[in-house]
Amino acid sequence: QITLKESGPTLVKPTQTLTLTCTFSGFSLSTSGLGVGWIRQPPGKALEWLAFIYWNDDKRYSPSLKSRLTITKDISKNQVVLTMTDMDPVDTATYYCAHRPLPAGYFDYWGQGTLLTVSS
Amino acid sequence: DIVMTQTPLSLSVTPGQPASISCKSSQSLLHSDGKTYLYWYLQKPGQSPQLLIYEVSSRFSGVPDRFSGSGSGTDFTLKISRVETEDVGVYYCMQGIHMWTFGQGTKVEIK
Repeated sequence: QITLKESGPTLVKPTQTLTLTCTFSGFSLSTSGLGVGWIRQPPGKALEWLAFIYWNDDKRYSPSLKSRLTITKDISKNQVVLTMTDMDPVDTATYYCAHRPLPAGYFDYWGQGTLLTVSS
Repeated sequence: DIVMTQTPLSLSVTPGQPASISCKSSQSLLHSDGKTYLYWYLQKPGQSPQLLIYEVSSRFSGVPDRFSGSGSGTDFTLKISRVETEDVGVYYCMQGIHMWTFGQGTKVEIK
């Protein structure tokens, strides 16, 4: 059974750096073809893909946010970490991590999401 | 970037009646591998998105057969043959051929 859970702060101040952790079970990111992505959703708004990391450590970032994002993985801990710099109130959102199976372009299992507020 | 455009943005449906949502992409989603990288998700109130349809028309595991997807290239449709009360929420299309992009969402409510 695949599960994912996001963790991190609920509140950050503008200009600070955000670090979110996705802890998963039921699969290993050392398995060829697998990947984990991050998606966010501002309150009442649409989903927005942010970043993705492949089993082989290849990475993809949203072009509009690429300069602010870093995604890494720790296979031994079954974790994927997303950092986002220079936070702004418009970054207030629920942040989800999700599993991408092999061989597919979709995300099949999602975490419950973690709500982050950016405010001074 | 590939832009995904959904219509309508909201839909009010009587239980038992059909519903249809359109999704158009700014570029073809047909890959050279023969697959079309178009997916549909439903986000029920207070929940994470759940996958309904993958590769245009294949239902994900456990998805009722009242949900169907069709289309090709840049034009796609999600149909619900008979809407049930549990189908309320926001429906999103998503492309996965070039990174990932979601549509704006279509809110479905029950009359």
